[in-house]
Amino acid sequence: EPEVTQTPSHQVTQMGQEVILRCVPISNHLYFYWYRQILGQKVEFLVSFYNNEISEKSEIFDDQFSVERPDGSNFTLKIRSTKLEDSAMYFCASNSRGVQETQYFGPGTRLLVL
Amino acid sequence: AQSVTQLGSHVSVSEGALVLLRCNYSSSVPPYLFWYVQYPNQGLQLLLKYTSAATLVKGINGFEAEFKKSETSFHLTKPSAHMSDAAEYFCAVRDPGANNLFFGTGTRLTVIP
Repeated sequence: EPEVTQTPSHQVTQMGQEVILRCVPISNHLYFYWYRQILGQKVEFLVSFYNNEISEKSEIFDDQFSVERPDGSNFTLKIRSTKLEDSAMYFCASNSRGVQETQYFGPGTRLLVL
Repeated sequence: AQSVTQLGSHVSVSEGALVLLRCNYSSSVPPYLFWYVQYPNQGLQLLLKYTSAATLVKGINGFEAEFKKSETSFHLTKPSAHMSDAAEYFCAVRDPGANNLFFGTGTRLTVIP
């Protein structure tokens, strides 16, 4: 069964450094999402992406964050200058018809900012 | 604005006992509702969803949930808990016209042998 994959599974970085989290959505999917889950808290929506542009973003998704679909398979989340509070599990999700369909989630990348 | 409340951050049941995980939502329009499960060190897996069809929804692994508009609830149940059901369960809501999901804080289910 096709699945969303994410790399790396864990990343440790120093405060102020840039990180790029990578996701490979399911191959025929067109809508892509990033969520994050700070330890012990709820899963929070960050951004949705369709047709090479952001379709929706939350208040969390400020200028430090950006997303990109650099090629036909990858979908990336970049944090330009990480802060301690960016430490979280980051989940990528995708679906093929946007609002009409269930989002399928990847296993997540656990980011630790020191 | 959409929101989800999950009563009980931790629930413990004995193996074979009924599982009941509570979820109440608020939404300005009839919502779509979801239950996701997260096993340790894994991503979110869809258990079941309600999208305005039958109010009683059956999902994977023997779980089901009933949409009750009058109570604004979407509680998750399973008649008989299995050890493999131990996980974190998240209720989520989405307005039909929106892309993003709003999640509850999750309920950690422990199954006691």
